[in-house]
Amino acid sequence: GQQVMQIPQYQHVQEGEDFTTYCNSSTTLSNIQWYKQRPGGHPVFLIQLVKSGEVKKQKRLTFQFGEAKKNSSLHITATQTTDVGTYFCALERDSNYQLIWGAGTKLIIKP
Amino acid sequence: GAVVSQHPSWVICKSGTSVKIECRSLDFQATTMFWYRQFPKQSLMLMATSNEGSKATYEQGVEKDKFLINHASLTLSTLTVTSAHPEDSSFYICSATAIGTGGNQPQHFGDGTRLSIL
Repeated sequence: GQQVMQIPQYQHVQEGEDFTTYCNSSTTLSNIQWYKQRPGGHPVFLIQLVKSGEVKKQKRLTFQFGEAKKNSSLHITATQTTDVGTYFCALERDSNYQLIWGAGTKLIIKP
Repeated sequence: GAVVSQHPSWVICKSGTSVKIECRSLDFQATTMFWYRQFPKQSLMLMATSNEGSKATYEQGVEKDKFLINHASLTLSTLTVTSAHPEDSSFYICSATAIGTGGNQPQHFGDGTRLSIL
């Protein structure tokens, strides 16, 4: 079945450093969604990418959708403590709005 | 907008007890609600998809008699963990998508229910 690989599993950064997480699919995607889950919290929708090569920005967050629509990335510039959490990509399954979730990348700020 | 309320947030009960979890969309009508289970430090595992007025669709390996889902209205879905045992202890979380424009809609999540079976 359709799968998505998300790497890395964890990323430790100093506050102020950048963070990037990547998602890859073996099949062409119609769209991809990104969510953030704070520790102890629930996933919160961040953005949906639909177009080939699309780049969207939300303040310090930059989301990209590959030209072939098989991969996507989330880049955070100059991380802050409020960015801590796990970032998931998710792609739509064949029907009924079900999502297939990446494993998530946990952003950890080094003390 | 797009608020989903999940109740209760924490349950501790004895083995053999049945536990009911409610998921409500407060300010929108949800065509579809999803029930997930999340183990510590892991991703979300879809258990079932719930459509208003019809039977839920369960993922492979999820026992439908164990996890009863009812989606009685466009704003309420319930998950009942029947005769819960310690291995059912987990974080259960629901999400909902809104009726509307069609195409892929984001999922809006409840706060989750942490279930601990003694």
